[in-house]
Amino acid sequence: TQLLEQSPQFLSIQEGENLTVYCNSSSVFSSLQWYRQEPGEGPVLLVTVVTGGEVKKLKRLTFQFGDARKDSSLHITAAQTGDTGLYLCAGGRSYDKVIFGPGTSLSVIP
Amino acid sequence: EAGVTQFPSHSVIEKGQTVTLRCDPISGHDNLYWYRRVMGKEIKFLLHFVKESKQDESGMPNNRFLAERTGGTYSTLKVQPAELEDSGVYFCASSQDRGARLYTFGSGTRLTVV
Repeated sequence: TQLLEQSPQFLSIQEGENLTVYCNSSSVFSSLQWYRQEPGEGPVLLVTVVTGGEVKKLKRLTFQFGDARKDSSLHITAAQTGDTGLYLCAGGRSYDKVIFGPGTSLSVIP
Repeated sequence: EAGVTQFPSHSVIEKGQTVTLRCDPISGHDNLYWYRRVMGKEIKFLLHFVKESKQDESGMPNNRFLAERTGGTYSTLKVQPAELEDSGVYFCASSQDRGARLYTFGSGTRLTVV
């Protein structure tokens, strides 16, 4: 059974601080996605990484896919209150369905 | 472009009753997926339609769940009879091309079975 683990489970930081959340698995994934979900809404895709070692930047967010394609990290620089939400990683081995991690709940305090 | 629409947004039913959830994908998206999150668990895949055909239904928990997508447009997910453990949030997603890299999710239906 493929599993994705995310850490930390909960994170509360002050506005302006930096943070990193992690997504780990013992399995190799062909691609990995990061989503952000707000209460009452569905997950919103932030980025997809497909190549081992790949780094993608989305404004203050930096995503990295591990060389072995088993893990990924999301780094947020100078967090803002609007970054608050549940961050989910999801990995795909087959071409269609994905496996979701349990998520990291981020709270950015003004 | 309208997003993926799901309704109802919330449903509270008694154990043993029937509930039907609906998903309207983005127009032109042939691929439609159902996922759900039950309390305290990860979001898990239920099934995948390509147009009106079930491509993969390996995640359907049991035969109380029936998904249809007549005409390859909107989809319904019926739970009959509902059990307590069916409570959770049911998400629908659609994509134009096959590949989990291109999902657009709906807001979900929160189902509570009492």
